[in-house]
Amino acid sequence: AQSVTQLDSQVPVFEEAPVELRCNYSSSVSVYLFWYVQYPNQGLQLLLKYLSGSTLVKGINGFEAEFNKSQTSFHLRKPSVHISDTAEYFCAVILTGGSYIPTFGRGTSLIVHP
Amino acid sequence: DAGVIQSPRHEVTEMGQEVTLRCKPISGHNSLFWYRQTMMRGLELLIYFNNNVPIDDSGMPEDRFSAKMPNASFSTLKIQPSEPRDSAVYFCASSPSGVPYNEQFFGPGTRLTVL
Repeated sequence: AQSVTQLDSQVPVFEEAPVELRCNYSSSVSVYLFWYVQYPNQGLQLLLKYLSGSTLVKGINGFEAEFNKSQTSFHLRKPSVHISDTAEYFCAVILTGGSYIPTFGRGTSLIVHP
Repeated sequence: DAGVIQSPRHEVTEMGQEVTLRCKPISGHNSLFWYRQTMMRGLELLIYFNNNVPIDDSGMPEDRFSAKMPNASFSTLKIQPSEPRDSAVYFCASSPSGVPYNEQFFGPGTRLTVL
């Protein structure tokens, strides 16, 4: 069975600073990888996803993530954050050739300070 | 499209009462998911429907929980009887079917408080 680990439950950062949110997964087969964002009192929405091809994936709102197969990681980055990026971020995996059910990480709370 | 619609947005009830949460998926989406989110356990998948048929209900906590999808545009999650430990935010999500890498579109959630 696959699992997803988001090592940081909370990441505080100042506005305009760079940020990296970490995600590691374990799986015996290939996976599809996703990052979702949840703003306060809202549902999750997709930031970006990796299916195949280029390991660097660009998403909405200036976020990007890099797939590293050897390290089984899919870290999310943004070079300069805004106050409006304050939210909960979830990493998720789906097995290729498996069911359509994603496994979500526990989430990382990004807190951007002015 | 209006997105995934959930009702009610907030529900406060007393222990032992029946609670029914409702979801209208995005038109044309064949897959529907019910999740529960708590601080302690994070986001948990409760049940997954494909073409109105329950495919995986292994996440349903116990017999007090039941879910139905009578047609492609409506699903319910029922808790009977409710308990304080059921307090959580319940999300419904839908996804186009056909391939596993389609994103899920989440509703705004129902915040349930059981006193």
